[in-house]
Amino acid sequence: KQEVTQIPAALSVPEGENLVLNCSFTDSAIYNLQWFRQDPGKGLTSLLLIQSSQREQTSGRLNASLDKSSGRSTLYIAASQPGDSATYLCAVSRTGTASKLTFGTGTRLQVTL
Amino acid sequence: DTAVSQTPKYLVTQMGNDKSIKCEQNLGHDTMYWYKQDSKKFLKIMFSYNNKELIINETVPNRFSPKSPDKAHLNLHINSLELGDSAVYFCASSQLAGGPYNEQFFGPGTRLTVL
Repeated sequence: KQEVTQIPAALSVPEGENLVLNCSFTDSAIYNLQWFRQDPGKGLTSLLLIQSSQREQTSGRLNASLDKSSGRSTLYIAASQPGDSATYLCAVSRTGTASKLTFGTGTRLQVTL
Repeated sequence: DTAVSQTPKYLVTQMGNDKSIKCEQNLGHDTMYWYKQDSKKFLKIMFSYNNKELIINETVPNRFSPKSPDKAHLNLHINSLELGDSAVYFCASSQLAGGPYNEQFFGPGTRLTVL
C-alpha cells in the first residue's frame, strides 16, 4: 500500500529565503508525482507534474525533483514571497490500469514579511 | 472560465437526509474523480469515471453513489447522511485515465456539514 509522507508539517520563513519541501513515498512503482498548493478554504492548484522517467521539472521560481529509486521528491521554492503562503501537497500516481492520486499529509508554509 | 466547477460550494444538512453535489469540467477531459478531504486535511480518492464508466471505487459506503450522465459531468449523491460524512469533497478531471502524462485538475471543493 502506497504511503506518502511530507516533512516538515509546517514551516515559517522570512520573505526572500530559498526553501525546500520534502515528500517521500514507499512504493516506487509510480507513473508520476504531482505537486499542488492549497490556499485556505480553496481547491488545489497543480504546480508541477514529474513523470516517473524525469528527474526534475521547473516552473518559474519552483523546481521539483524526483528520485524514484529512493522514493523521494523535493520542491524547491526560490526567493519566497508572502503570496507563496499556502499548504503544499505532493501526490503520487501508481502504475496500473487506472490513475488515482495518493496524497501526502501536506506542508503548511508561511512566508513572513 | 472555470475549468472544473462544483455546486454547491457549501452544504449544511441534517443527519439522515439525502443530498447531491454536482461537478462539471470544460477541459474536454475523459476522466473525472471524487476525492474526500477530512477534518485533518487528508485527501483520499473515492471514485473515478472514464468516459462515463466507473474505473475506481475505493471501498466507499454504498450510501455514496456517483453518476456520470456524460463525460463532462460527474455528480455525487449521498443517501442517509451521517455525521462522519462532514468533509470537503473535491472533484477533479484529467485527460487520460492513467499513465505518466496524467495530470489532474481540481475543482474548488464543496464543504459538507452534517448536523
